[in-house]
Amino acid sequence: ELKVEQNPLFLSMQEGKNYTIYCNYSTTSDRLYWYRQDPGKSLESLFVLLSNGAVKQEGRLMASLDTKARLSTLHITAAVHDLSATYFCAVEPLNTDKLIFGTGTRLQVFP
Amino acid sequence: DTGVSQDPRHKITKRGQNVTFRCDPISEHNRLYWYRQTLGQGPEFLTYFQNEAQLEKSRLLSDRFSAERPKGSFSTLEIQRTEQGDSAMYLCASSLVYSYEQYFGPGTRLTVT
Repeated sequence: ELKVEQNPLFLSMQEGKNYTIYCNYSTTSDRLYWYRQDPGKSLESLFVLLSNGAVKQEGRLMASLDTKARLSTLHITAAVHDLSATYFCAVEPLNTDKLIFGTGTRLQVFP
Repeated sequence: DTGVSQDPRHKITKRGQNVTFRCDPISEHNRLYWYRQTLGQGPEFLTYFQNEAQLEKSRLLSDRFSAERPKGSFSTLEIQRTEQGDSAMYLCASSLVYSYEQYFGPGTRLTVT
């Protein structure tokens, strides 16, 4: 069974601090996506990682992909309150066109 | 282009009733996906179309669920004889073939009482 696991499930962090969210998956894939979801809202695309070693950065967020370890990370630098949301990673298994989502990480940033 | 749209945004129905949702993809996107998201979980894949052809259906999609995309543009998802376990957010996404990104709509929140 395909599994995509995120760690931690819930993260409460102080503004200005750094932290990393981990995404492990159990299937062969070279495509991984990160999405953000605000309460009651749909999914907003953050990053698309398409190859081993891919690294992308946008503002205070940086995502990386290690296909050999089947691991992606989302690093948060100097967190601000506006980053409070739920973050999902999603894997596109080889030879499929569907996304398998992780369990989500609910991030709460407080002053 | 205003993105993927879904209608209705909210639907409350009684158990046993049938419901139908509509999704309008981004113009010229030939792939259209349906996902279901229950509270506190990540979205789960239900089915997808390339143009009017339904190419894959999840085992989650019981016989009570049917999806169509008759002209390769908008799609409908029908749930017959709804059950309380069908309560969820139903998300639609679209993409271009050979493109890597799926764009999600605002979702339809279904509540079965």
